[in-house]
Amino acid sequence: GEDVEQSLFLSVREGDSSVINCTYTDSSSTYLYWYKQEPGAGLQLLTYIFSNMDMKQDQRLTVLLNKKDKHLSLRIADTQTGDSAIYFCAERNTDKLIFGTGTRLQVFP
Amino acid sequence: SAVISQKPSRDICQRGTSLTIQCQVDSQVTMMFWYRQQPGQSLTLIATANQGSEATYESGFVIDKFPISRPNLTFSTLTVSNMSPEDSSIYLCSVGDGRGQEGYTFGSGTRLTVV
Repeated sequence: GEDVEQSLFLSVREGDSSVINCTYTDSSSTYLYWYKQEPGAGLQLLTYIFSNMDMKQDQRLTVLLNKKDKHLSLRIADTQTGDSAIYFCAERNTDKLIFGTGTRLQVFP
Repeated sequence: SAVISQKPSRDICQRGTSLTIQCQVDSQVTMMFWYRQQPGQSLTLIATANQGSEATYESGFVIDKFPISRPNLTFSTLTVSNMSPEDSSIYLCSVGDGRGQEGYTFGSGTRLTVV
């Protein structure tokens, strides 16, 4: 199957780190992505990782990939109120993206 | 990355009518897709829009309900036909170059409410 699962909610204090987790089932995925959706807006690509990598860092974002366990995570350092949004992981299956269920991140002062 | 213009941004429609959504890209792109995002849900792929040929539909979606056109490499339309309240969703156009590492770009979406 092509199920991509995420926890529904995450609440963090401003300045702390956030870790959003994702599990997927298709071991043949070539790329995995993280998208951000703010209220009333479309999807913004945050970062991606190729399946033969286990880590990628991009400024405040760190992506970890455990291919053996089919587990992907996104760490946001120094989380800000502007980071409040829904975060979707997505796996690439041939040319199609299969999206996770989404995690709503709430940042409080 | 490509810039997508999607129209309309929102609409309220009567049940039984049809709505056509347009997706215009500022450059030629290999891949074009249409997604649906039901309220509070994730994104579900409706179909891949193929240039010059019939779209490729995912399981649960059919051409009679969601006819798609893609006359060239920069433009596509999705029609939601014979609408019912269950069709109330956000519909999103997405494009990509097929190489993968740049990810796929999304339009801002069309928020459809069927009454």
